[in-house]
This record gives sequence, C-alpha cells and structure tokens, in this order.
Amino acid sequence: EDQVTQSPEALRLQEGESSSLNCSYTVSGLRGLFWYRQDPGKGPEFLFTLYSAGEEKEKERLKATLTKKESFLHITAPKPEDSATYLCAVYEKGTYKYIFGTGTRLKVLA
Amino acid sequence: DAGITQSPRHKVTETGTPVTLRCHQTENHRYMYWYRQDPGHGLRLIHYSYGVKDTDKGEVSDGYSVSRSKTEDFLLTLESATSSQTSVYFCAISESLAGKETDTQYFGPGTRLTVL
Repeated sequence: EDQVTQSPEALRLQEGESSSLNCSYTVSGLRGLFWYRQDPGKGPEFLFTLYSAGEEKEKERLKATLTKKESFLHITAPKPEDSATYLCAVYEKGTYKYIFGTGTRLKVLA
Repeated sequence: DAGITQSPRHKVTETGTPVTLRCHQTENHRYMYWYRQDPGHGLRLIHYSYGVKDTDKGEVSDGYSVSRSKTEDFLLTLESATSSQTSVYFCAISESLAGKETDTQYFGPGTRLTVL
C-alpha cells in the first residue's frame, strides 16, 4: 500500500537549535515529493518540490533533501516564527493523486 | 500567492441538510482537488478534476459529489450532511505539463464545516 510517514509527530526546539524532520514514503513510482508549511487555521503553503534522489533545495533556514526512500527537511538555527506544522506529500507516477503524511508539529521556543 | 478562494469560510449546518462548498481559481490551472483534513488523518482526497466536466473519486468520496462546469470553479456538495463530515475542507489546484516544476499543488484557505 502506498503511504507516507512523517516523524517525529511533534518537535520542540530552542531558538537556534538545528534539527531535521523525516518523511519516508512507499510508492511504486515517485514523480515528485513536496514539502508544505501549515499555520493554524490556514491552508498549506508550498515550500519545496523534489523530483530525484540526491536533489536538494534551500530556502532561508530550510533545506530539503531526497533519497530513494525518504526526504529530510533540515532546519538550521530556527526562530520562533518557524513554528508550524510541516507536511510532506508524494505524487505517484501514472496517477493524479497526491498522498500526504500527517505532519510534524514544530514549536520553536524563544 | 496562488489565486484560490473558497466560500464560505465557515459554515454550521444540521444533519440531513445539503451543503455546497465552492472553490474558485484565477490561475487557469487544469487540475483541481478537494481534500478534508482531520486530526490524525492528515489531508485526504475526496474528489479531483482533470478538466471541465471531468472528475474522479478520491479515497474518501462516499457522501460527496462534485461538479466542474467552468475551468475556474469546482463545487463540492454534501447531499445530506452527517456529523462525520464535520471537518476542514481544502481546495487545491495544480498544472501538470511536460515541465516537472508544474506538478506542485497550491491550496486555498479552507472551509471549516460543522454538522450538528
């Protein structure tokens, strides 16, 4: 069965304490992997798209990486405004469907 | 920001009543999706559309129907709302062309629906 698993479910960091979020996936053929940020009461906001193993993308304090079985979202020196839920999704080849993980709730303390 | 609006943003209704949620886009994207988001389940696909009048079911389609008569509008209807349909509903759009960078989904602000 195709699935996406994110870990940890929740993470508390001190400001400046770097860490990584994990997204592991099982699909027959990956067309793309996506990271989103979601703030309470809002829709998911697009962060990154990754298409092939070894690919990396960066935006401010965030860097996303991709292997054949998982993706990591690295957060370097986080700030309180980075607090949010981070969602991972995969898009399977030959379908119109995106499969989402349940997210990691990140809290960055000042 | 992608031009996606959802209406209404909040709705409270009673069991057994019909409810229609609207998604409107100004991006002229071909694909449109309806998701529901519930604690512990993440985003689950209800229905999607790959063109005007072309729709298909997602993983949680029971009790829901959709229509798309224009590129810009995608309607989600609960024919007879039940308490299990209390949720936050998100619309998303994407444009899948030969260029890979167009696979990304963009989301609307959501509709919070409560069925009493």
